[in-house]
Amino acid sequence: DVKVTQSSRYLVKRTGEKVFLECVQDMDHENMFWYRQDPGLGLRLIYFSYDVKMKEKGDIPEGYSVSREKKERFSLILESASTNQTSMYLCASSLVQGNTEAFFGQGTRLTVV
Amino acid sequence: QKEVEQNSGPLSVPEGAIASLNCTYSDRGSQSFFWYRQYSGKSPELIMFIYSNGDKEDGRFTAQLNKASQYVSLLIRDSQPSDSATYLCAVNLYTGNQFYFGTGTSLTVIP
Repeated sequence: DVKVTQSSRYLVKRTGEKVFLECVQDMDHENMFWYRQDPGLGLRLIYFSYDVKMKEKGDIPEGYSVSREKKERFSLILESASTNQTSMYLCASSLVQGNTEAFFGQGTRLTVV
Repeated sequence: QKEVEQNSGPLSVPEGAIASLNCTYSDRGSQSFFWYRQYSGKSPELIMFIYSNGDKEDGRFTAQLNKASQYVSLLIRDSQPSDSATYLCAVNLYTGNQFYFGTGTSLTVIP
């Protein structure tokens, strides 16, 4: 069964902390994505990766970085958390060829106080 | 400029009625189209995908694609209260392997 697993369901961090969100998929997918979802704004792409050590900026990369050292794992890093990064973070993966869907993890609700 | 537009709703329909959800997209290079359902506090789950012009049916769900009009829709027949959720339209440009999502339409099915 297809599975994308995010390391935490809920997370509370303080302003200025460095935050790591981890995502692991077991489907041997080439593509992995990080989105954030806010009311009224929908899903916005932060970063995506189409291969190990490769990354591409999405629509809102400011304040974030990513790491993909292994094919199955894609990490999102908040270098210095701020309150405006309080959001739901969703990881997804897909095969590299077109016409295939994205599979989502369960999401991480991050609160920065 | 938004890639994918949806009516945010909320859309309310009585139980047993047909719910119609609409989506338009701006990039004519879009190759594949997806409808996801998202319950409150949960992650999106795929309902249907469509690649070719016309209709595609799966149980109570029908996806319709019109590439000339850059329009994709989802019809839910015999709507049930369990269909109450936010429905996200997504397109894939294939060449970039990115998925662009609409902001979602909130659907409430009234018993």
